[in-house]
Amino acid sequence: EPEVTQTPSHQVTQMGQEVILRCVPISNHLYFYWYRQILGQKVEFLVSFYNNEISEKSEIFDDQFSVERPDGSNFTLKIRSTKLEDSAMYFCASNHPGTGDGEQFFGPGTRLTVL
Amino acid sequence: DQQVKQNSPSLSVQEGRISILNCDYTNSMFDYFLWYKKYPAEGPTFLISISSIKDKNEDGRFTVFLNKSAKHLSLHIVPSQPGDSAVYFCAASSRYGGATNKLIFGTGTLLAVQP
Repeated sequence: EPEVTQTPSHQVTQMGQEVILRCVPISNHLYFYWYRQILGQKVEFLVSFYNNEISEKSEIFDDQFSVERPDGSNFTLKIRSTKLEDSAMYFCASNHPGTGDGEQFFGPGTRLTVL
Repeated sequence: DQQVKQNSPSLSVQEGRISILNCDYTNSMFDYFLWYKKYPAEGPTFLISISSIKDKNEDGRFTVFLNKSAKHLSLHIVPSQPGDSAVYFCAASSRYGGATNKLIFGTGTLLAVQP
């Protein structure tokens, strides 16, 4: 069964450093998303991406964040200058339009720890 | 902005009994409601969904009920099994422009099924 994959599973970085989180969505999906979950809190939407551009972004997704689909398979989230409060689990998700009730399929997540 | 609420942080049931997880929402424009199951250090796994034009959807041991007038939905698991022990998230989305929008998650309910 196809699944969303994410790398790395755990990233430790120093405050102010750049990180790139990588995702490979399910191959025939067209919509891609990033969510995050700070420890003990709910899963929060960051950004959605379709047809090589951002469809919607949340207020969390400020100028320090960017997304890219550099080739036909990868979908990346870049944080330019990490802050302590960026420490969280980051989940990539994807789905195909017009199927089901809009369910999105999530990857296993990347745990980002900013020291 | 708590558009989706799960007021019970935890629930404990005996194996073989029914588990009922509840969710309330405030935005009457939501088109779809979804339930996800999540284990620690893993991504959310899609469980079952329901369109706003329906009041019930069933899949095996899982049934979701939607009461639009009360802006309330519930997930019934029967019979409950120890492997069902996980955090259950309620999520909602609306569809615009033919695309599926972001998922808005509740805070989750930790279900513990006792053998």
